[in-house]
Amino acid sequence: EAGVAQSPRYKIIEKRQSVAFWCNPISGHATLYWYQQILGQGPKLLIQFQNNGVVDDSQLPKDRFSAERLKGVDSTLKIQPAKLEDSAVYLCASTRGGPRYGYTFGSGTRLTVV
Amino acid sequence: DAKTTQPNSMESNEEEPVHLPCNHSTISGTDYIHWYRQLPSQGPEYVIHGLTSNVNNRMASLAIAEDRKSSTLILHRATLRDAAVYYCILRDALRNSGNTPLVFGKGTRLSVIA
Repeated sequence: EAGVAQSPRYKIIEKRQSVAFWCNPISGHATLYWYQQILGQGPKLLIQFQNNGVVDDSQLPKDRFSAERLKGVDSTLKIQPAKLEDSAVYLCASTRGGPRYGYTFGSGTRLTVV
Repeated sequence: DAKTTQPNSMESNEEEPVHLPCNHSTISGTDYIHWYRQLPSQGPEYVIHGLTSNVNNRMASLAIAEDRKSSTLILHRATLRDAAVYYCILRDALRNSGNTPLVFGKGTRLSVIA
């Protein structure tokens, strides 16, 4: 099966600019996650979707981050305005759901804010 | 989620077996034990998971202690391609209908020496 697709692969922006990341999960996977991974750390959950509804966004900095999953398939994550500390890799993952199924991660988008 | 403890780093010679330990002394009866690995510049990759019994797949074996308070990921013959950060993660089968997100720690950085 095709993997989780993410774009762009790399992005460099200046602070206070806005940026958007796109994710296309594996077909049929109802659950989608966005993670942020700062260099040297493990991934940290930002938001979880079940179909097109938000399940958990408690760790999403809502003053600057937003995410949506239209029609329960593709998802976009936006940052507006970006700060220097947002420099990280943004990972998208999808799963069928339930603890017996593994996650499939995309390769991520590496964001550098200068 | 119950927490796991892993060594920060380990080293192995190529073509030798590797045993990566994980302690999870506060594991509950409904927690699945998941292992993921992250190769350089890639998203995490599912390796294996189990509940009570030992598990084998094409990538690795998972040995779970009888009291479930620890587990060991076994790579039978390490290759250079196995150099990665390995994460041991618990997922509750009951909370949120089993759709609790993966919570990553710092993992174990495995180096493989040719």
